[in-house]
Amino acid sequence: AQSVTQPDIHITVSEGASLELRCNYSYGATPYLFWYVQSPGQGLQLLLKYFSGDTLVQGIKGFEAEFKRSQSSFNLRKPSVHWSDAAEYFCAVGSTGNQFYFGTGTSLTVIP
Amino acid sequence: ETGVTQTPRHLVMGMTNKKSLKCEQHLGHNAMYWYKQSAKKPLELMFVYSLEERVENNSVPSRFSPECPNSSHLFLHLHTLQPEDSALYLCASSQDSEGFREQYFGPGTRLTVT
Repeated sequence: AQSVTQPDIHITVSEGASLELRCNYSYGATPYLFWYVQSPGQGLQLLLKYFSGDTLVQGIKGFEAEFKRSQSSFNLRKPSVHWSDAAEYFCAVGSTGNQFYFGTGTSLTVIP
Repeated sequence: ETGVTQTPRHLVMGMTNKKSLKCEQHLGHNAMYWYKQSAKKPLELMFVYSLEERVENNSVPSRFSPECPNSSHLFLHLHTLQPEDSALYLCASSQDSEGFREQYFGPGTRLTVT
């Protein structure tokens, strides 16, 4: 069965430090991969997505993610975190057949 | 502004009540979704509508009844809910229901069942 795992429930980083959020997926075919961000009281907003081609994808707000098929991973990175990046981050897999699978999310705290 | 609105934003209801959640998208999309977001659990896809037809129903209890009268509006009718149904209910839309489509989410309705 398809699934998405985000091993880190909560991460705290200092402002200006680099960030990496982990995502592993289980899916039989080539997955459609997404990272979404959710700020308090708001819905999810797409940061970036991967379908095919270059395995390093760039997104909004300075985020990037790398698809590694051998590791079934799609980790999200940012070289320098800003206080406004504090939010909940969700990795997701889309499949054929109208199904979408989300991870449990990683809560990011940014300290000054 | 994501172009997807949900009302009400907060709802408290008893187990014997009947209420409805409303979602409206202003993006010209053809697919709409209902998700349930509970603490410490992955988002659960409940229903998928494409061109106003339900294309997915992920084993959701019958006390949740969706309705999609047109491609811009989606409702979730609630009746005889249980306390474990308390959650954030998110609506989303996309151009179509293909798995590679970006979904646009509303802010959600925070539902509390007493």
